[in-house]
Amino acid sequence: KAGVTQTPRYLIKTRGQQVTLSCSPISGHRSVSWYQQTPGQGLQFLFEYFSETQRNKGNFPGRFSGRQFSNSRSEMNVSTLELGDSALYLCASSPGAGGDQPQHFGDGTRLSIL
Amino acid sequence: TQLLEQSPQFLSIQEGENLTVYCNSSSVFSSLQWYRQEPGEGPVLLVTVVTGGEVKKLKRLTFQFGDARKDSSLHITAAQPGDTGLYLCAGGTGGQNFVFGPGTRLSVLP
Repeated sequence: KAGVTQTPRYLIKTRGQQVTLSCSPISGHRSVSWYQQTPGQGLQFLFEYFSETQRNKGNFPGRFSGRQFSNSRSEMNVSTLELGDSALYLCASSPGAGGDQPQHFGDGTRLSIL
Repeated sequence: TQLLEQSPQFLSIQEGENLTVYCNSSSVFSSLQWYRQEPGEGPVLLVTVVTGGEVKKLKRLTFQFGDARKDSSLHITAAQPGDTGLYLCAGGTGGQNFVFGPGTRLSVLP
């Protein structure tokens, strides 16, 4: 069974640009959550999508957005990139929605802002 | 806001030693999960505990959920270099998203 796939694995951007990251969940999983991981802040929740609807949103500015498609694949977009957006962005899928489902993580996209 | 604290933040031990890491909160969680993350990879789920006082064993790893469902511990017996990694606890909040602790970075030296 294929795991969670995130693309690209590495990305270098400059301040002010925008970026789109992609996540393909495990087949049959309908919930996709996104997290930002940095050495100083740890893993912070960005948002969760279930059946193409955003269920929960973390405390991040509106520059961070996402969407989910009918095949459960998800994308997140960050506009007007700032230096502080440099981080590992992780996607996790689970069979159902909510905060008790086991999370299956991808290996992340490492975003570096110059 | 529900927060999770983990201690110690860093731990470096010799192969064969035993260790315990802790995950604490002032909030009650509906479930508690432990993950291990290795460099360049995403976190991998080790265990989920849902009942206060529950103890689960996974080979040399023993996980316990506190009676009040506010804290948890992970005990590793006879640690091996392959146990090296970042150990994360995550509190389940029922209908809402998970809350992750900052992690314990474990290094097991051969």
